[in-house]
This record gives sequence, structure tokens and C-alpha cells, in this order.
Amino acid sequence: NAGVTQTPKFRILKIGQSMTLQCTQDMNHNYMYWYRQDPGMGLKLIYYSVGAGITDKGEVPNGYNVSRSTTEDFPLRLELAAPSQTSVYFCASSPREGYTFGSGTRLTVV
Amino acid sequence: EDKVVQSPLSLVVHEGDTVTLNCSYEVTNFRSLLWYKQEKKAPTFLFMLTSSGIEKKSGRLSSILDKKELSSILNITATQTGDSAIYLCAVGVGTASKLTFGTGTRLQVTL
Repeated sequence: NAGVTQTPKFRILKIGQSMTLQCTQDMNHNYMYWYRQDPGMGLKLIYYSVGAGITDKGEVPNGYNVSRSTTEDFPLRLELAAPSQTSVYFCASSPREGYTFGSGTRLTVV
Repeated sequence: EDKVVQSPLSLVVHEGDTVTLNCSYEVTNFRSLLWYKQEKKAPTFLFMLTSSGIEKKSGRLSSILDKKELSSILNITATQTGDSAIYLCAVGVGTASKLTFGTGTRLQVTL
């Protein structure tokens, strides 16, 4: 049972480059989320989705985009990477209450 | 703006001690309060507390929700070195079960 799978685990980007963080869940959860965690800080919500075709902004959406074409997949897109986007990114899914987190992607922008 | 505050920020105890971690919140449309343990990677779920379940216990860990005081505590008795981690408190708000996290309490258990 894979749960929530995130790829890649690590990535170094140059300023201005773009990339997509992949997230896939096999639990048929409707709700999916992207959080970022900066050192010494809690997790902050970037975007979330309550079902295929529906997405909404969280607390810190600037510089990111998402799509949800299927129940399983919820990719996060960075269009023009900036040093402020250096962080650890967690994807999570939920049936209604209680999250299952992916193992995270550590992104460094230089 | 929804807010979750945890205290203390960090704590060092000796193995065998009992610790109490605190979480207070100011949110609109409260649904639940959750505790997570985070070691090197992703947070792992400990407890979820709601209006209908204000006290949970699992082994040496227990948690209580005080809806009147808008707060929760996480107790760990007879601490072990394996309890060393960051403990995150999060409050579920709204119909989409979004979580607002505190900054966490870093617990270190020494021999």
C-alpha cells in the first residue's frame, strides 16, 4: 500500500527555472493538499483540492500553481523559482479528517 | 487570521521524565485538533480531538482538548530517547479540512 508518493525527494534549481513536484495517492481520497515547511516553522498551506477539477488557494499560494485532473494526482508547479521558495514541500491527502503525508521534497533554489 | 501557538518552543528532559506540551488556538470554524510527531521526514499522526472526543490516550501518550480555553495538552510519561522529535499541533478548520499548524515543540530526551 503506497499511500502518498512524492517525487523527487531532492532537487536543486537555479533562479528562474521551473519544475513540477509530483504527488500521487492510491487511497481514493477526495481531499489533497500542498504544504511547505521552512526551518523552525510549522507547515503552511499552499494549495488544496476537494476533488478532481477543483482547486483553491491556501495561505501562501504566490509563485505556485496546481491542477487536479484526476483523484490520484495533484502536481505542484513552480514557474519562476526564487530563493524564497527554498523549503521542504509536503503533499497530503485526506478522506475527510486526518491526513496522510508524503515523505516530502527538499527543494533548494540557488 | 487563524492562529495556533505552541509552547514551549523546545525542551530537554532526561529519560523517564514526564513532559507536557501546550497548544492554544484562535480559529474560525473549528473542526478538530490534531497532534503529529515529526522526526526526520513527514509528520506522523498521533491523535485527533474533536468536540465529541476531547481525550485520547495511546500507551505513554495522552492528549486533552479544552474547548472552553481553546487549548490542548499532549502528555508523554516515562519519556524515552525515541520520543525525541518535533511535536506539531494543528487545528482543522472549514469544510475542506484544511489544517493550520503551530511552529512545533522540539523535544530532546537525553540519557
